Amino acid sequence: QSALTQPASVSGSPGQSITISCTGTSSDVVGYGFVSWFQQHPGKVPKLMIYDVSIRPSGVSNRFSGSKSGNTASLTISGLQAEDEADYYCNSFTSSYTHVFGGGTKLTVL
Amino acid sequence: EVQLVESGGGSVQPGGSLRLSCAASGFTFSTYWMHWVRQAPGKGLVWVSRINGDGTFTNYADSVKGRFTISRDNAKNTVYLQMDSLRAEDTALYYCVRDLRSSNYWGQGTLVTVSS
Repeated sequence: QSALTQPASVSGSPGQSITISCTGTSSDVVGYGFVSWFQQHPGKVPKLMIYDVSIRPSGVSNRFSGSKSGNTASLTISGLQAEDEADYYCNSFTSSYTHVFGGGTKLTVL
Repeated sequence: EVQLVESGGGSVQPGGSLRLSCAASGFTFSTYWMHWVRQAPGKGLVWVSRINGDGTFTNYADSVKGRFTISRDNAKNTVYLQMDSLRAEDTALYYCVRDLRSSNYWGQGTLVTVSS
């Protein structure tokens, strides 16, 4: 159950687009369409931003989008805003009937 | 309104035990998978365990398998995490989560500190 691989940090200026990658294996990201993305502001509870690779829950801005190609899932944030500065985590269901998170990515809005 | 309220955290010595509880309300509890997720201070999220709606299926992260036991009481709308043989590396904020995959309901967490 190795953690999914995410970049430790990404940054972008307001208005720009950024993409956070989440790399897994055939036992998780590749094999299943159950990749979720969570946003966590400091001291706050995580918030679901994307589930099942690309589905946006009600109330989540359409600036957030998800995709998957091969063993890598991605979260793209367009029109970057200051409030998007947070930690982001991917999560996948696995072939062992467990879940696994990525190590997390700190997004800095310059 | 969906609510998840964890309790049972605290300080314990290595090798000790704790039982966490998560009281749920505002939804049909018995129809949902429930999960425990933990976060060590300043670190990332780590999935711990899950249990299906009627309590017949459970799964665990390798790091806790054999030491932690998840269970639920649907009559009390409560999910539990029995934690035995605790280690320093189990120190974390433990969150109760409804249907981790696709719903957005998390408790506020209960803090477990394992230290001598």
